[in-house]
Amino acid sequence: KAGVTQTPRYLIKTRGQQVTLSCSPISGHRSVSWYQQTPGQGLQFLFEYFSETQRNKGNFPGRFSGRQFSNSRSEMNVSTLELGDSALYLCASSPTQGPAGYTFGSGTRLTVV
Amino acid sequence: DQQVKQNSPSLSVQEGRISILNCDYTNSMFDYFLWYKKYPAEGPTFLISISSIKDKNEDGRFTVFLNKSAKHLSLHIVPSQPGDSAVYFCAASARSNDYKLSFGAGTTVTVRA
Repeated sequence: KAGVTQTPRYLIKTRGQQVTLSCSPISGHRSVSWYQQTPGQGLQFLFEYFSETQRNKGNFPGRFSGRQFSNSRSEMNVSTLELGDSALYLCASSPTQGPAGYTFGSGTRLTVV
Repeated sequence: DQQVKQNSPSLSVQEGRISILNCDYTNSMFDYFLWYKKYPAEGPTFLISISSIKDKNEDGRFTVFLNKSAKHLSLHIVPSQPGDSAVYFCAASARSNDYKLSFGAGTTVTVRA
């Protein structure tokens, strides 16, 4: 079966711009989580959506937002981009809420210049 | 506040020997722990997990040990193989926090032939 699909794979944006990243979970998975990976920081939790509702949110500024659609696909938006937003953004899906069963996508590499 | 810490950023081991990766956590509410493996340009993949009611879980060459009193867990890989060269992330979650995953910064393992 198809895995978690993230688009685009690579993105270059200018400071001040906004960006939207997309994640298509595994079919039947209702939970989608987003993480930011930067060197030396590991994976930092951004937010989790379950059945179109945000169930959990990490410690990121309001410039980071997300949503989940009825087909479980999710988008993440970052407004007013800063250089420090350059990172690998990973999406993970799971059939239910909970720690097990997470499957990660390959990520979107965002570079802010 | 980094609740999950992997204090060794890198580990080099000879093929056939044991690799031991360590992870410490500070939140006593964590009750489920996982290890993920990540290759460059790919998302993390689940390796092995352990519940707080156990102190050991084994899956083939991979064994995870949990010492709750010390808030410490470790991953043993025996024997190490060249394909094990990757970044390994330790993660922890708490039922009380809707199982939101907290990750360590990762340990890069290099297996030498």
